[in-house]
Amino acid sequence: DAKTTQPNSMESNEEEPVHLPCNHSTISGTDYIHWYRQLPSQGPEYVIHGLTSNVNNRMASLAIAEDRKSSTLILHRATLRDAAVYYCILRAFNAGGTSYGKLTFGQGTILTVHP
Amino acid sequence: GAGVSQSPRYKVAKRGQDVALRCDPISGHVSLFWYQQALGQGPEFLTYFQNEAQLDKSGLPSDRFFAERPEGSVSTLKIQRTQQEDSAVYLCASSVPGGEQFFGPGTRLTVL
Repeated sequence: DAKTTQPNSMESNEEEPVHLPCNHSTISGTDYIHWYRQLPSQGPEYVIHGLTSNVNNRMASLAIAEDRKSSTLILHRATLRDAAVYYCILRAFNAGGTSYGKLTFGQGTILTVHP
Repeated sequence: GAGVSQSPRYKVAKRGQDVALRCDPISGHVSLFWYQQALGQGPEFLTYFQNEAQLDKSGLPSDRFFAERPEGSVSTLKIQRTQQEDSAVYLCASSVPGGEQFFGPGTRLTVL
C-alpha cells in the first residue's frame, strides 16, 4: 500500500480554520485519498475523500495538489468537537480487486483545539 | 440505533483464557472488517468478510485468532489462549462494497 506522511500533532483555536497536510508521493493513479478521524474513545469516522478534484462536504473540504502527491484537509471553523486524530489514507479505486477497500492507517495527526 | 454495535465494550481476561468479541454490522452491509488498535497507534487490519465468506485473513497475528460470520450478518472474533500482547481495542467496521466504512465503538481487551 502506498504510504502517507502526516505531522504528529497540530493545534488550533476554536472558530479558526485548520489545514491538516498529508504527503503521499508514491500515490498511484487509482488511489483515492480518504480522511477519517477518531474522537477520543470512539471508532474512526469517515470525513471525506477525493481522487483529483477538490471536494467539499458538510464536515470539511479536501484540497488535492495538481500532481496528487499531497493533499490538505480543511476544517473551516474548528470547534472543540473537532479535537481528534485525523488519518489520511490511500485506498485503491477498484473495490472489486484485491484491495477491496481495507484501510491502512498510519499514525495520524492529533488535532488539539483550544477554546 | 442504526450504527455498528460491538459487545462487550470492555473485557478483562486472564492470560490463557479464550475470549469472544461480537460485532453487529449495519443491516444490509455486505462488507465487514476487523481491526486491532494498540494504545497510541492507528488501527491495523485483521480480516475481511464479504457476506459469510472470509476473503482476507492476512492481518490475523497468529493462529490463536479466529473470526467468523456464519450467516453474513453478525461476526465474532475469537482469541484463544490470550496473551498480554493481545491487549488492544478491537474495532469492527461495515460497509457496502467499496463504500465508506462505518466503525463501531470497539471492544477494549485487557489481558492480565
